[in-house]
Amino acid sequence: AQSVTQLGSHVSVSEGALVLLRCNYSSSVPPYLFWYVQYPNQGLQLLLKYTTGATLVKGINGFEAEFKKSETSFHLTKPSAHMSDAAEYFCAVSGGYQKVTFGIGTKLQVIP
Amino acid sequence: DAGVIQSPRHEVTEMGQEVTLRCKPISGHDYLFWYRQTMMRGLELLIYFNNNVPIDDSGMPEDRFSAKMPNASFSTLKIQPSEPRDSAVYFCASSTGPTDGANVLTFGAGSRLTVL
Repeated sequence: AQSVTQLGSHVSVSEGALVLLRCNYSSSVPPYLFWYVQYPNQGLQLLLKYTTGATLVKGINGFEAEFKKSETSFHLTKPSAHMSDAAEYFCAVSGGYQKVTFGIGTKLQVIP
Repeated sequence: DAGVIQSPRHEVTEMGQEVTLRCKPISGHDYLFWYRQTMMRGLELLIYFNNNVPIDDSGMPEDRFSAKMPNASFSTLKIQPSEPRDSAVYFCASSTGPTDGANVLTFGAGSRLTVL
């Protein structure tokens, strides 16, 4: 079984401030982890993924995430928020099979 | 490639009517997924196919929902009869399958269904 919990359905940050979106996962096997972004009226797009190896994963648009097995976490960060980062972000987990389970999403608001 | 193509983008119908949503996956992608997105439940996997064969339909809510994939380039999700609680955005996604163990999905733009 696999599941994802995203802490905070809405997060607001000021432009230029640190972005931190939290994700905790549960998986009965070593997990593969993802962050996707959804802009209004669009489908989800892959930001980054963790498979094996380096625990700090860099993605597009300056985002990165760190896999912490001891904390079962995969938090998404960006040092400096930009107005264009306003979107909904989804954490997802896969147990190495085809099935991918998504969290409920976190809406990021960037305040000018 | 034009990506995953879904139609219609918006559908408004009345309770009891049949609804058919369509999806064209990316050429060469062997896996196709149907997800439903609502405010309350987020993204739920309804069903997925591998090489046109349904692999897991445990997420299909009830018998009113059915999905088919007659060939590698086309899939349908049908709701008959539709109910107001079916109102949601339905996403189709495709993939080549797990690479490095990770199954990366490419999503379509979604079909927004409103059942009155």
